[in-house]
Amino acid sequence: AQSVTQLGSHVSVSEGALVLLRCNYSSSVPPYLFWYVQYPNQGLQLLLKYTSAATLVKGINGFEAEFKKSETSFHLTKPSAHMSDAAEYFCAVSDPGTGRRALTFGSGTRLQVQP
Amino acid sequence: EAGVTQSPTHLIKTRGQQATLRCSPISGHTSVYWYQQALGLGLQFLLWYDEGEERNRGNFPPRFSGRQFPNYSSELNVNALELEDSALYLCASSAGQEIDTQYFGPGTRLTVL
Repeated sequence: AQSVTQLGSHVSVSEGALVLLRCNYSSSVPPYLFWYVQYPNQGLQLLLKYTSAATLVKGINGFEAEFKKSETSFHLTKPSAHMSDAAEYFCAVSDPGTGRRALTFGSGTRLQVQP
Repeated sequence: EAGVTQSPTHLIKTRGQQATLRCSPISGHTSVYWYQQALGLGLQFLLWYDEGEERNRGNFPPRFSGRQFPNYSSELNVNALELEDSALYLCASSAGQEIDTQYFGPGTRLTVL
């Protein structure tokens, strides 16, 4: 079975600083990986996804993530944080190898952006 | 293009009652997924419907059930409500060449008193 671990339930950065949100996965077959963002009292918005093509994936709002098989990681980065990036971020894995299309989510990382 | 819609936005029930939550997928999407986001438990997969059939379910008791209609909209029913069923219930849909990519609705906040 697949699983996702997000290191750091809370991350605080200054506006303009680098954002790094960590995600490690466990999967018996090559996974599909996703990052979603959730703003207060809202649903999940897809930021980006990895589906076995390019290992460096660019998403919306200036975010990108790099799939590293050797490290079983899919960390999310953004070069310069903006106040509007403050939200909760979820990493998720979908294992198509077993036929399941259910997403397994990490526990989430709440990003605070300080002025 | 309209996104996934869910109704109602909020639902308040008492213990033992039944709750019905509704979801309309993105136009053209045939797969619908339900997730529960409960405080302290995170996001958990509940159910997956495709072409009107239940394809998979998560580790939830049978009192969580649902269906998918011919127009691909879906209902989630929760019977014999318990206090711990209080959560945000999220619906997602996917289809076609992006079948593995799920797009989420805004959720229904269920409160059980």
